Amino acid sequence: GDSVTQMEGPVTLSEEAFLTINCTYTATGYPSLFWYVQYPGEGLQLLLKATKADDKGSNKGFEATYRKETTSFHLEKGSVQVSDSAVYFCALSDPTNFGNEKLTFGTGTRLTIIP
Amino acid sequence: NAGVTQTPKFQVLKTGQSMTLQCAQDMNHEYMSWYRQDPGMGLRLIHYSVGAGITDQGEVPNGYNVSRSTTEDFPLRLLSAAPSQTSVYFCASSITSGPYNEQFFGPGTRLTVL
Repeated sequence: GDSVTQMEGPVTLSEEAFLTINCTYTATGYPSLFWYVQYPGEGLQLLLKATKADDKGSNKGFEATYRKETTSFHLEKGSVQVSDSAVYFCALSDPTNFGNEKLTFGTGTRLTIIP
Repeated sequence: NAGVTQTPKFQVLKTGQSMTLQCAQDMNHEYMSWYRQDPGMGLRLIHYSVGAGITDQGEVPNGYNVSRSTTEDFPLRLLSAAPSQTSVYFCASSITSGPYNEQFFGPGTRLTVL
């Protein structure tokens, strides 16, 4: 079945540091890939997505590239801010699951940015 | 436009009690779903609905019931609560069930079963 393996946390970085959160996946079809972010006390919200190989999703300074050859979708940001502190989830949606294109989530990575 | 709303925010139950977690969306979305979030396990799908009158099971449906009588509402019922159901529950919706669509999440309900 489908699965998402995500970099274990927690991750603590200083402000303005470079961020990478690794994500790899297994899927039977050609999935869509997502990064969701959960700020403290809130629900998840979509950060970025990519729907086919070599697509790059980007938002709020974050980027991730859909790498089919390595089945990866690593999240990067060049200079993190305190406001980026949150839990980040990598997820996929497999279009071969017709009628239930559910999200399969990784376990989440808690990111803390210190001033 | 309130998006996806969930009530209550917090709930404590005793083993064997029943309750309903409410979920509503005002975006006219066809697809709605319930997830539970447990430490170290990400989010797991409980039940989903592709439209009013249609529901189906996800990965972890045991102990939960759902119904979808309107497009807007998708309540989750715990018939006889167990400590294993202690979790944070999220309702989500998207415009349709397609794989490219963003899912919008509610703020969650934190449930503790004693």
